[in-house]
Amino acid sequence: DAGVTQSPTHLIKTRGQQVTLRCSPKSGHDTVSWYQQALGQGPQFIFQYYEEEERQRGNFPDRFSGHQFPNYSSELNVNALLLGDSALYLCASHSGTAKNIQYFGAGTRLSVL
Amino acid sequence: ILNVEQSPQSLHVQEGDSTNFTCSFPSSNFYALHWYRWETAKSPEALFVMTLNGDEKKKGRISATLNTKEGYSYLYIKGSQPEDSATYLCAFSGGSNYKLTFGKGTLLTVNP
Repeated sequence: DAGVTQSPTHLIKTRGQQVTLRCSPKSGHDTVSWYQQALGQGPQFIFQYYEEEERQRGNFPDRFSGHQFPNYSSELNVNALLLGDSALYLCASHSGTAKNIQYFGAGTRLSVL
Repeated sequence: ILNVEQSPQSLHVQEGDSTNFTCSFPSSNFYALHWYRWETAKSPEALFVMTLNGDEKKKGRISATLNTKEGYSYLYIKGSQPEDSATYLCAFSGGSNYKLTFGKGTLLTVNP
């Protein structure tokens, strides 16, 4: 059983560009969350998708948007990239409530030059 | 704004030592507390999810306790091994929130 998979592993973009990151959840999971981990910080919640809808959103600007597909996979889109968007982006999946284990992918390392 | 604090920030121990770290979180509106172990270049690995005050959980040489009334959790590692070297993260979930709020982690280095 594959766990949470993310692609690509690494990505280099320039300021002003747009990027799409992808996540496939663990089999049987219907909820996907995205987190940003900047250097020296813990992961910060971006948003969570459930039943193809954004269920909750963290303190991130509208440049960050997402989507969940019928097969529960998800995309994170960031528009008008800034240098400060350089970070590790983590995807986590689970089913049910926050009392259940959330399984993480290994992340996508985004560098904005 | 929810603050989840972890201490110490980093820790160096010798193989065979026992060690512990602390996670502090808001004591109101508690829902769940998660512990993760994260090795460099790998996925964070879930260790425990704790939901009830007084919970104690154990997985091999690693155990954790939870005090929701005072807002803290301890993670203990007995007889540390070099393979225990990792960053240990705790994450808090409160009320009807679905998100996890993470601390900055404790970086553990176990020297052989």
